[in-house]
Amino acid sequence: TQLLEQSPQFLSIQEGENLTVYCNSSSVFSSLQWYRQEPGEGPVLLVTVVTGGEVKKLKRLTFQFGDARKDSSLHITAAQPGDTGLYLCAGNTGTASKLTFGTGTRLQVTL
Amino acid sequence: EAQVTQNPRYLITVTGKKLTVTCSQNMNHEYMSWYRQDPGLGLRQIYYSMNVEVTDKGDVPEGYKVSRKEKRNFPLILESPSPNQTSLYFCASSPRGSGGSDTQYFGPGTRLTVL
Repeated sequence: TQLLEQSPQFLSIQEGENLTVYCNSSSVFSSLQWYRQEPGEGPVLLVTVVTGGEVKKLKRLTFQFGDARKDSSLHITAAQPGDTGLYLCAGNTGTASKLTFGTGTRLQVTL
Repeated sequence: EAQVTQNPRYLITVTGKKLTVTCSQNMNHEYMSWYRQDPGLGLRQIYYSMNVEVTDKGDVPEGYKVSRKEKRNFPLILESPSPNQTSLYFCASSPRGSGGSDTQYFGPGTRLTVL
């Protein structure tokens, strides 16, 4: 059972555009993480959010955790080619070691 | 350098031929886990270990075995591989036993093809 759905699945935009990626679930998560994965490499953690309504910023990336802790979004301002990659959300339901990954959003930013 | 290493990086094998993918971390992490990544399905957890000699099933454990005899090593064993186990495999570790909310550090991946 896939608990985390990401949208869109694919996104191709030009440098300088803004975009938002969504991560939705019917389950409540105690924390939610966003990872970025580049070709030939493993995912790398970008951020962890733990409080409903929490907003975290990482340079041009803004992450928000939904008030009910069932969803999250990632907003990128003025995208750059270096933002290209696969973005994965991952939720922890509170079971100590259980991390469930979303289906992923593949982003391509062109010049 | 702090890292998670996996070997081999690429492997092509035939149905039924036992294989082992090794995973090692040099960060003294308690938690280690194996995932497989397939198009459109994201990463799915196969097995995890909260400490030495403590392992448990993830979402897709069928056809796989693991062991955790030492803190740094967490090998993934396919006793009788089948074509549906063709996938990209990742090992990950995190500092504490509660790996779910910790930062997980991933290895570079092992691309396995079973013919």
